Amino acid sequence: DIQMTQSPSSLSASVGDRVTITCQASQDISNYLNWYQQKPGKAPKLLIYDASNLETGVPSRFSGSGSGTDFTFTISSLQPEDIATYYCQQYDNLMYTFGQGTKLEIK
Amino acid sequence: EVQLVESGGGLVKPGGSLRLSCAASGFTFSSYSMNWVRQAPGKGLEWVSSISSSSSYIYYADSVKGRFTISRDNAKNSLYLQMNSLRAEDTAVYYCAREKVGADAFDIWGQGTMVTVSS
Repeated sequence: DIQMTQSPSSLSASVGDRVTITCQASQDISNYLNWYQQKPGKAPKLLIYDASNLETGVPSRFSGSGSGTDFTFTISSLQPEDIATYYCQQYDNLMYTFGQGTKLEIK
Repeated sequence: EVQLVESGGGLVKPGGSLRLSCAASGFTFSSYSMNWVRQAPGKGLEWVSSISSSSSYIYYADSVKGRFTISRDNAKNSLYLQMNSLRAEDTAVYYCAREKVGADAFDIWGQGTMVTVSS
């Protein structure tokens, strides 16, 4: 089974900062990598699919890149409403695997 | 409005059974693959099971294989998860989620239903 290593596990940043989260797959997953945002007590929300495609309605300050085993999720200018936990997710061999999550806090 | 609403959660003893339901509205349910994803208290997300639009293809996580059964009724716009032989480690919020057309991603989620397995 493919393992996903997401880092960091937590992150503190200031409003306006550029924030980057990484996700590494244990083997090549092409571009089958998605990013989700989950706010406390809420269901996850799809932000980025297929590594770099912005889901409809998601602000353009969110972006994703990468292919193969190494992927990056970026918030270009952190806003107060971006406080949440972020998860990467991959699909391979008929199953889905999520990363461990990155809890993002305001400094 | 596109919506998924889960129900059926509750408190059950170890070894017991529970059936979760997910009611879909606002989209053509029969055209989409559907999934169950769970989240233990204070933990991350774990994919549980998926079912194709016509129920032809069904997959499970190893952690639930042989104990859980996913099914759907397209006439009733509903998704189900029959959970048997429940264990304490099955305690979690269970979400149903729609699979995005053309991408292996979950674009619509329900609000979740809590399942607690405890004596």
